[in-house]
Amino acid sequence: NAGVTQTPKFRVLKTGQSMTLLCAQDMNHEYMYWYRQDPGMGLRLIHYSVGEGTTAKGEVPDGYNVSRLKKQNFLLGLESAAPSQTSVYFCASSYPQGRWVLLKDNEQFFGPGTRLTVL
Amino acid sequence: GENVEQHPSTLSVQEGDSAVIKCTYSDSASNYFPWYKQELGKGPQLIIDIRSNVGEKKDQRIAVTLNKTAKHFSLHITETQPEDSAVYFCAASIRYSSASKIIFGSGTRLSIRP
Repeated sequence: NAGVTQTPKFRVLKTGQSMTLLCAQDMNHEYMYWYRQDPGMGLRLIHYSVGEGTTAKGEVPDGYNVSRLKKQNFLLGLESAAPSQTSVYFCASSYPQGRWVLLKDNEQFFGPGTRLTVL
Repeated sequence: GENVEQHPSTLSVQEGDSAVIKCTYSDSASNYFPWYKQELGKGPQLIIDIRSNVGEKKDQRIAVTLNKTAKHFSLHITETQPEDSAVYFCAASIRYSSASKIIFGSGTRLSIRP
């Protein structure tokens, strides 16, 4: 299993450009998440999905859109990039609540990250 | 709103010594507390977790303690080794019937001095 993969690994955009970050997981997880990581601020949730065809806003959703057309993919879109969106973006996935009785039912599996710079 | 505070932001310890990272959370409904380790250039990876019905959990050199009354939880690493150098994140999660909400601390950069 590849686990959680993200493409691209690095990207430089100019202000106003658009782009889509792709997250894919092969663990048949129901839940998927997009986070951004900024120095001194930890991981902040942008959007998440509890299943194919569903999305919900997280802590910092403004300026981003997401889609979950297939269970294994979760796309993060920036329609008009701004310098404030310069960050490292992490995708994660996890099992659904209640399916696993013990231990790891809340564990999130993270991808390797995408470093985005907006000039 | 919900908040998780993590201290210290940086920590340097001599190889073989112990390291302690502390976190506090604000929402008393939080019931799951994972710790993630992030190595350079990689995504965070779960190393240990604890649930609100347990006060302490140990896994080899790593232990986590939880004080629900004070809303504190801590990560303890004993006999530190160079490979322990990384950024560590605590988190607090609230489980609802349909989804969980997880808030991360700001991270601790741990350096192990040889």
